[in-house]
Amino acid sequence: GAGVSQSPSNKVTEKGKDVELRCDPISGHTALYWYRQRLGQGLEFLIYFQGNSAPDKSGLPSDRFSAERTGESVSTLTIQRTQQEDSAVYLCASSPRTGLYEQYFGPGTRLTVT
Amino acid sequence: AQKITQTQPGMFVQEKEAVTLDCTYDTSDPSYGLFWYKQPSSGEMIFLIYQGSYDQQNATEGRYSLNFQKARKSANLVISASQLGDSAMYFCAMREVYNTDKLIFGTGTRLQVFP
Repeated sequence: GAGVSQSPSNKVTEKGKDVELRCDPISGHTALYWYRQRLGQGLEFLIYFQGNSAPDKSGLPSDRFSAERTGESVSTLTIQRTQQEDSAVYLCASSPRTGLYEQYFGPGTRLTVT
Repeated sequence: AQKITQTQPGMFVQEKEAVTLDCTYDTSDPSYGLFWYKQPSSGEMIFLIYQGSYDQQNATEGRYSLNFQKARKSANLVISASQLGDSAMYFCAMREVYNTDKLIFGTGTRLQVFP
C-alpha cells in the first residue's frame, strides 16, 4: 500500500517568507508526527496529532511554527517569517495508533532558507 | 540529561562480518519501547526493529537483533553478515508510554561497510 507522502520534496525560500509543508499519512493511521532533522543531526520532535485530541505542540521551537491536521488525513506544517536556522529536513511520520508501535516515515521535505 | 545516547559517531565493518551499534537510554517510565531506524543517503527513515520494555526475549528481525539489557539500560543493535547496502546512518529511539507519544532519537551512528 501507499506509504507516507510529503510535498514538496525540496523547497528553497528567501528569509522572511512563509512556507507550507504537506504530509499525507498512511490511510487509517490515526497518529501523525512532525520532526525536524538538521544536517548531520538526529531528529527533533515538533508536534503530534492523535485523532480529534488536542495536538501535542511541545516541540515547536517558536510561535512562527504551526501545524494543522484535518481529521485523520492531511497535515500541513507552516513556518512563518522563515529564518536561516529553519533550514533542515522536515519529516512526517504516521502510526496506526498511539502506544508502543513503530512510526512510518515519509521521505521528508528539504527546506533551504537563503 | 540525554534520554538516548549513541556514543559511536562512526563505525566500519567488513562485508559479511557482524557489527554492534551501541545505544543506552534513560527513563523512569516502567513502560517504554526502543526502536532502531536506518537512514540511507536517500534520507528516508526505515524502521528496523522494536523492543518493548516488558519483552522477555531479545527482538530479532532477519539479520538484525537487539541486545536488550534492561538493568544496564542498553539496547544495542547487532547486524549479522553485513552487506554493502547496510552502509547508512542508524538511529536508536525511545517511546515512553506516559510521556506523550513522540519518539526521542539519539544522534546516530554512521556505519560504513567495506568489501
